[in-house]
Amino acid sequence: AQTVTQSQPEMSVQEAETVTLSCTYDTSESDYYLFWYKQPPSRQMILVIRQEAYKQQNATENRFSVNFQKAAKSFSLKISDSQLGDAAMYFCAYRGQGGSEKLVFGKGTKLTVNP
Amino acid sequence: DTEVTQTPKHLVMGMTNKKSLKCEQHMGHRAMYWYKQKAKKPPELMFVYSYEKLSINESVPSRFSPECPNSSLLNLHLHALQPEDSALYLCASSRDMANSPLHFGNGTRLTVT
Repeated sequence: AQTVTQSQPEMSVQEAETVTLSCTYDTSESDYYLFWYKQPPSRQMILVIRQEAYKQQNATENRFSVNFQKAAKSFSLKISDSQLGDAAMYFCAYRGQGGSEKLVFGKGTKLTVNP
Repeated sequence: DTEVTQTPKHLVMGMTNKKSLKCEQHMGHRAMYWYKQKAKKPPELMFVYSYEKLSINESVPSRFSPECPNSSLLNLHLHALQPEDSALYLCASSRDMANSPLHFGNGTRLTVT
């Protein structure tokens, strides 16, 4: 079974600085999808960024980018120019390719942004 | 604003009550999901509907009964719940069950007394 590990329960960053959240996963599949979701106190799970495993190029969405290392099964999230609104729980998630693959979540990293 | 709407936002119910959680999306998505999330934990999958048919039931107790009346609506009927069922219940939808990302609602905070 696939597993997703986030080794940092909590992280903090100064406003305007850069922070990297770690995520590793275990799978025997060659094609799959990886996601980072953000859950602020408002409770909604918001998709931050996604990466297809067959793409070598790292995904980027404005201030958010990933470092996808397929061989190492690593998928870290870099947040540049951190803003107070970035404070949230961040969940890394894995989904295999297929018609009925479930989304597997890591345990989450709580990010605090200090003014 | 969320494209997946959940009602109510908060619900307090006794163990003998019957209540329902509602979820609605108008993105044309054909897969809809119920998740349960305890504090400081990741969401746990409960049910998945694909094209209005129940596709996955993660061995959820029968006191939780899902219903998908049409492609835009998903309900979760609750009956004889236990205090440990208190949690945030999240609804999500996706274009299909393949690789499309899930879009989540704001959730219903359920407290069972």
